[in-house]
Amino acid sequence: GAGVSQTPSNKVTEKGKYVELRCDPISGHTALYWYRQSLGQGPEFLIYFQGTGAADDSGLPNDRFFAVRPEGSVSTLKIQRTERGDSAVYLCASSLTHQNYGYTFGSGTRLTVV
Amino acid sequence: AQSVSQHNHHVILSEAASLELGCNYSYGGTVNLFWYVQYPGQHLQLLLKYFSGDPLVKGIKGFEAEFIKSKFSFNLRKPSVQWSDTAEYFCAVNTNAGKSTFGDGTTLTVKP
Repeated sequence: GAGVSQTPSNKVTEKGKYVELRCDPISGHTALYWYRQSLGQGPEFLIYFQGTGAADDSGLPNDRFFAVRPEGSVSTLKIQRTERGDSAVYLCASSLTHQNYGYTFGSGTRLTVV
Repeated sequence: AQSVSQHNHHVILSEAASLELGCNYSYGGTVNLFWYVQYPGQHLQLLLKYFSGDPLVKGIKGFEAEFIKSKFSFNLRKPSVQWSDTAEYFCAVNTNAGKSTFGDGTTLTVKP
């Protein structure tokens, strides 16, 4: 597609529920990144994929968070047993290769856990 | 681990004023540096980037940034701001392939 697409744009869920956030990167971009942005802060790294594999998942806060990219294009970020502290904007970005020449970001998914 | 500091949290300027937003990073090795901008209601966009060579880099919309290695700085500048420059600006550093570390952003408000 023309840009990075993230769905849904907004998600409200109850504490303890499971959520999935989807990212569709720019066609042909092999590198895909997930970041989380809380109010008043900059994006915080979660995980980065090169192709189908997670090249660096050091930013995932705990084992409730998991992400996949099974065919090297679309990625899904999965959060189990959501907590109120998970509320944030989840950003996806892609780049042509793993060499970081600058990201193209999606519009983000605003997750609210009530 | 690297960190990025943006000292100005909110800057208010009148149109035609000059702009300089500070960015300092902590990392002793080779870095790639970026400025991103987020206009109201829009997603983050790359404004400019530095990898090597001339430490003065020019980006879109008349913005430029200067890499000063001895000061670990990458300040963003524009000689004359416009109302349309109202946005949030993020500095980011990348020390290896893949992830970047972002500052907490500076909100710029330009009064018409």
